[in-house]
Amino acid sequence: GNSVTQMEGPVTLSEEAFLTINCTYTATGYPSLFWYVQYPGEGLQLLLKATKADDKGSNKGFEATYRKETTSFHLEKGSVQVSDSAVYFCALSDDGSSNTGKLIFGQGTTLQVKP
Amino acid sequence: ETGVTQSPTHLIKTRGQQVTLRCSSQSGHNTVSWYQQALGQGPQFIFQYYREEENGRGNFPPRFSGLQFPNYSSELNVNALELDDSALYLCASSFGLAGFSTDTQYFGPGTRLTVL
Repeated sequence: GNSVTQMEGPVTLSEEAFLTINCTYTATGYPSLFWYVQYPGEGLQLLLKATKADDKGSNKGFEATYRKETTSFHLEKGSVQVSDSAVYFCALSDDGSSNTGKLIFGQGTTLQVKP
Repeated sequence: ETGVTQSPTHLIKTRGQQVTLRCSSQSGHNTVSWYQQALGQGPQFIFQYYREEENGRGNFPPRFSGLQFPNYSSELNVNALELDDSALYLCASSFGLAGFSTDTQYFGPGTRLTVL
């Protein structure tokens, strides 16, 4: 079945460092790909998305490119801030096996940014 | 534009009890999906409702059931609670056409359920 694998955390960085969180997926068809962020004690917020191969999603300085050839959707940011500390989830929309567009999530990667 | 809201925020129940969680979808959305997020894990899809009917279900037992109302708000009911049901329950709304909901899902803040 479809699945998402994220790099394990926690990822600890100093402020202004470069961030990469790896995400790879297994899917039939052509799913949409998402990054959601979860701040402590809160629900999920959509960070960015890409709906087809080679699309680049971007928001708040974060970006990720849908790479079909490597089945990846790595999250990057050039200069992280303390306020970026959160749990980041990569997800795909299961468009192929159902008509619900249900989201399949990775296990999440905790990012800690130190001043 | 009103976002997705959920109630209550926190809930404590004992094993064997029943619980009802509520969700109001974002304005303009007609589809609600429910997810269970255990501590330290990614959310798992429970089921989806489109125009008051179940439109798909994940790998959860029948004691997890739901409803969607004409205003597209939704309830998640869990009977015979077990300790493993302790989790954050997330509701997400989206817009679908003819039961196909592949639009972006927007999440509420969640309900934290603790089963003792």
